[in-house]
Amino acid sequence: QSALTQPRSVSGSPGQSVTISCTGTSSDVGGYIYVSWYQQHPGKAPKLLIYEVIKRPSGVPDRFSGSKSGNTASLTISGLQAEDEADYYCFSYAGSYTLVFGGGTKLTVL
Amino acid sequence: EVQLVESGGGLVQPGGSLRLSCEASGFTFSSYWMSWVRQAPGKGLEWVANIKQGGIEKYYVDSVKGRFTISRDNARNSLYLQMNSLRAEDTAVYYCARWGVAWDLVYWGQGTLVTVSS
Repeated sequence: QSALTQPRSVSGSPGQSVTISCTGTSSDVGGYIYVSWYQQHPGKAPKLLIYEVIKRPSGVPDRFSGSKSGNTASLTISGLQAEDEADYYCFSYAGSYTLVFGGGTKLTVL
Repeated sequence: EVQLVESGGGLVQPGGSLRLSCEASGFTFSSYWMSWVRQAPGKGLEWVANIKQGGIEKYYVDSVKGRFTISRDNARNSLYLQMNSLRAEDTAVYYCARWGVAWDLVYWGQGTLVTVSS
């Protein structure tokens, strides 16, 4: 049950794109399609952005997209906006009904 | 509208116990897996426990096994977390969350703070 590996921070200017990686193992990220991503603003509860690697819940802008290759999942945010500045977490099923989060990535919009 | 409202947090001494509650509304509670997720101050999210719809199947992160017990009362639309033998490292905001369709946490409560300190 080791945390998935995310960069501690990323940054980008308004209008640019950024990608946040999430690296696990074949026992979690690499072994299942059940990878989701969450956005958390300071003092707020997390919000689901992406589930099943690439799917977006209704109401989430299509600027947010997900992908996966091998043991690494990625979240791409295009057309960066000021309100995208937040912490982002990946989350993966890890077998036997257990789950694991990534360590989190702080996104700064310059 | 789906709502999850946690309660029961507070200050407790190391070795002590606390019971968290989460009252659910706006959906058929008995139809969904539920979870507790925690976040230590200034730290990341950590999945703590899952419970299946019927309340029999329960799963935990290794660090709380044998100390924490997740349970539910479907008649009361409520989720619980009994926390025993609390340690300083259990200090965190504890969130109640409802599962979606694919091991994703769709709805979250506002969280309740547990502080373990002497």
